[in-house]
Amino acid sequence: GEDVEQSLFLSVREGDSSVINCTYTDSSSTYLYWYKQEPGAGLQLLTYIFSNMDMKQDQRLTVLLNKKDKHLSLRIADTQTGDSAIYFCAEKGAGNNRKLIWGLGTSLAVNP
Amino acid sequence: DGGITQSPKYLFRKEGQNVTLSCEQNLNHDAMYWYRQDPGQGLRLIYYSQIVNDFQKGDIAEGYSVSREKKESFPLTVTSAQKNPTAFYLCASSISGQVSTDTQYFGPGTRLTVL
Repeated sequence: GEDVEQSLFLSVREGDSSVINCTYTDSSSTYLYWYKQEPGAGLQLLTYIFSNMDMKQDQRLTVLLNKKDKHLSLRIADTQTGDSAIYFCAEKGAGNNRKLIWGLGTSLAVNP
Repeated sequence: DGGITQSPKYLFRKEGQNVTLSCEQNLNHDAMYWYRQDPGQGLRLIYYSQIVNDFQKGDIAEGYSVSREKKESFPLTVTSAQKNPTAFYLCASSISGQVSTDTQYFGPGTRLTVL
């Protein structure tokens, strides 16, 4: 079945760039998403990218998609302590099924 | 303010009791979802509903039940048959439709502790 994989932990220094990576197996993916979850809270949509795009930029966030390698990344520029959270990657296939396939999340720690 | 509300934020129950978690949305979204989150296990789909009066089992539906009598509401009942109900429960909703991105928007979650 479809699968989405992420590394579990990432630690960066404040002010550096963070890059969170995600790989997926479904070659029919239509949309790929990045969500952020702060402790004890729900998930907040950060951004999404359509599968026919290579890159999407939104302020400090840059999403890169390599469809050939089924690899998605989220770059956070000038990482701040408020960016410390769990980041989830998810993908949606091409069918009418509205289910998303989720990664396990990457816990980002930002050190002062 | 449009959004998804879940209540209560914290819920305690004794073992063997059924408990119902509330989820309401005023986004006019057709689809709604319930997820369970355990530490280190990411999100697991319990049930989802694409339209009123219809719902489908997700990956871990055993021990749970839902109803979708109104577009705005998708309550989840955790029954006594659920062997390990203590978890963080998240509700989400999305617009349906052929051109929809199916972006899911989440509520703040309910932390259920069964004693």
